[in-house]
Amino acid sequence: DTEVTQTPKHLVMGMTNKKSLKCEQHMGHRAMYWYKQKAKKPPELMFVYSYEKLSINESVPSRFSPECPNSSLLNLHLHALQPEDSALYLCASSQDEGPLYEQYFGPGTRLTVT
Amino acid sequence: SQQGEEDPQALSIQEGENATMNCSYKTSINNLQWYRQNSGRGLVHLILIRSNEREKHSGRLRVTLDTSKKSSSLLITASRAADTASYFCATAFYQKVTFGTGTKLQVIP
Repeated sequence: DTEVTQTPKHLVMGMTNKKSLKCEQHMGHRAMYWYKQKAKKPPELMFVYSYEKLSINESVPSRFSPECPNSSLLNLHLHALQPEDSALYLCASSQDEGPLYEQYFGPGTRLTVT
Repeated sequence: SQQGEEDPQALSIQEGENATMNCSYKTSINNLQWYRQNSGRGLVHLILIRSNEREKHSGRLRVTLDTSKKSSSLLITASRAADTASYFCATAFYQKVTFGTGTKLQVIP
């Protein structure tokens, strides 16, 4: 199984809502990532988890809160978002953290904040 | 910023022709990767070239890396309509991967 799954595929939320994005992989990968991609722009790294511990936070606002409950799951909790947070949120995983490992991406969650 | 710049931004070719995309970056890297993205969905890893390698092949893909010029190129030979997508280079320095601006390739049947 070389698949990374993400749910939901689409999400519309108001600025006062609380929602969560979910990512799952069963490849035994020990590193997982969240990226944000605005339209016609490249993905931008948000967070990196390595062995279930947060290793990189790219100065992401606290209204985005990542969580790694176990080695297969990665969540992104959303609260009090702004319309400019509307984007495609991509999850990825790799065998290990570091530059030698390719990343496997999920299909993304398209988030619209109204 | 370590973000790579890709050239051209958009490329339109006929099926069967070769497509070449270039990537330039600014800082030290451990490796450089190329990814494909269809219609704003998930990215697919194409090829990884390490900083001590100069050229790598995978099927119809050929990647070169010139660390002295901080540049890389991706060649897709004998293009197909299914190759229509956005292509991103991504530079990796330790655990951080930074994506370039992307090239939008259209292959006309």
